Amino acid sequence: QKEVEQNSGPLSVPEGAIASLNCTYSDRVSQSFFWYRQYSGKSPELIMSIYSNGDKEDGRFTAQLNKASQYVSLLIRDSQPSDSATYLCAVQTSGTYKYIFGTGTRLKVLA
Amino acid sequence: DTAVSQTPKYLVTQMGNDKSIKCEQNLGHDTMYWYKQDSKKFLKIMFSYNNKELIINETVPNRFSPKSPDKAHLNLHINSLELGDSAVYFCASSLPLVDTGELFFGEGSRLTVL
Repeated sequence: QKEVEQNSGPLSVPEGAIASLNCTYSDRVSQSFFWYRQYSGKSPELIMSIYSNGDKEDGRFTAQLNKASQYVSLLIRDSQPSDSATYLCAVQTSGTYKYIFGTGTRLKVLA
Repeated sequence: DTAVSQTPKYLVTQMGNDKSIKCEQNLGHDTMYWYKQDSKKFLKIMFSYNNKELIINETVPNRFSPKSPDKAHLNLHINSLELGDSAVYFCASSLPLVDTGELFFGEGSRLTVL
């Protein structure tokens, strides 16, 4: 079983819709969770971090964490064509510098 | 000012050659990393240094040797290059764990082994 799993996609949504990206992880002691966005040919950039159960909102982005289910998700409201990118879920285990990334979900927002 | 910079951005070389990638960060971070991203976009940690000390050394062939002359620099030397080494190599840095934990990535170095 992979440590961090994501559906590779592509996930296609129409402009203005909500895009829902999901991630599951296997290490129960994981403490910190991150969503990075990576445009083609570019480096990953952080868009959201979440550390406790529940929802965290930042503009059009909402991260949701459920540690009991070992599940973290990212919702993008009012999706724009500029949101088209690969979204990488990353998990950090408490007390370590080790960030484990998922394989990423490719999102396509159709104009 | 570029926060995390890597050179070169592109390398094309023959199998069996040796190559180096250099990384520098001006963010004042103590921790630096090398990640390898393959053609399927999977980012895999290779090494991490904290204030010049090696703290993460994943299952990487010993043809790969990192070196951190100071906490702002982390270099990667690769001996006897193989076809499977073709990938994008990203350098990253981060604050200590007590802070946000965000990774700041360089622009990547695309290595192509022919």
